[in-house]
Amino acid sequence: NAGVTQTPKFQVLKTGQSMTLQCAQDMNHNSMYWYRQDPGMGLRLIYYSASEGTTDKGEVPNGYNVSRLNKREFSLRLESAAPSQTSVYFCASSEASGVAYNEQFFGPGTRLTVL
Amino acid sequence: AQRVTQPEKLLSVFKGAPVELKCNYSYSGSPELFWYVQYSRQRLQLLLRHISRESIKGFTADLNKGETSFHLKKPFAQEEDSAMYYCALYTGNQFYFGTGTSLTVIP
Repeated sequence: NAGVTQTPKFQVLKTGQSMTLQCAQDMNHNSMYWYRQDPGMGLRLIYYSASEGTTDKGEVPNGYNVSRLNKREFSLRLESAAPSQTSVYFCASSEASGVAYNEQFFGPGTRLTVL
Repeated sequence: AQRVTQPEKLLSVFKGAPVELKCNYSYSGSPELFWYVQYSRQRLQLLLRHISRESIKGFTADLNKGETSFHLKKPFAQEEDSAMYYCALYTGNQFYFGTGTSLTVIP
């Protein structure tokens, strides 16, 4: 099993450009998440999808949109990139079927720089 | 509102010394707490969760509801413990992570 995969690994954008970060999991998990990791800020939740067909905002959703394409895939879109969106983006998934199963499995991350 | 607080951004200890990484949380419901670790050039991964009451790699963490704390402890630090540690709270639909503590174990 590959676990959680993310593409691309690195990306440089100019201000105003758009792009989509892709995430896929092969663990048949119900829930998927997008985080950004910034120095001194830890991980902050951007959006999550508790189950296929649903998405909800997290702590820092402004400037982003998401799509839960199917149970496996959860994409994050930046419509008009800004330098403040320079960060490392992590996708994660969890079974979310009960207390003991709420471990999150993380992808390798996407390092995004917006110039 | 900050739900998870890790007061130490950086922590250095000597090899063989005890280590404690602090975590305090704020949540009115029944908390589910976790410690995640990110070693250099590796993915963030689960270290332990309070529900399991387990010891992983010599680390333990006890949930203290009175003090709303979930501190991570290890009696004898090893060099391979050097990493970034995140405390996380699960509220039933999403996780809240602390800002992390970077632990350095000095040989």
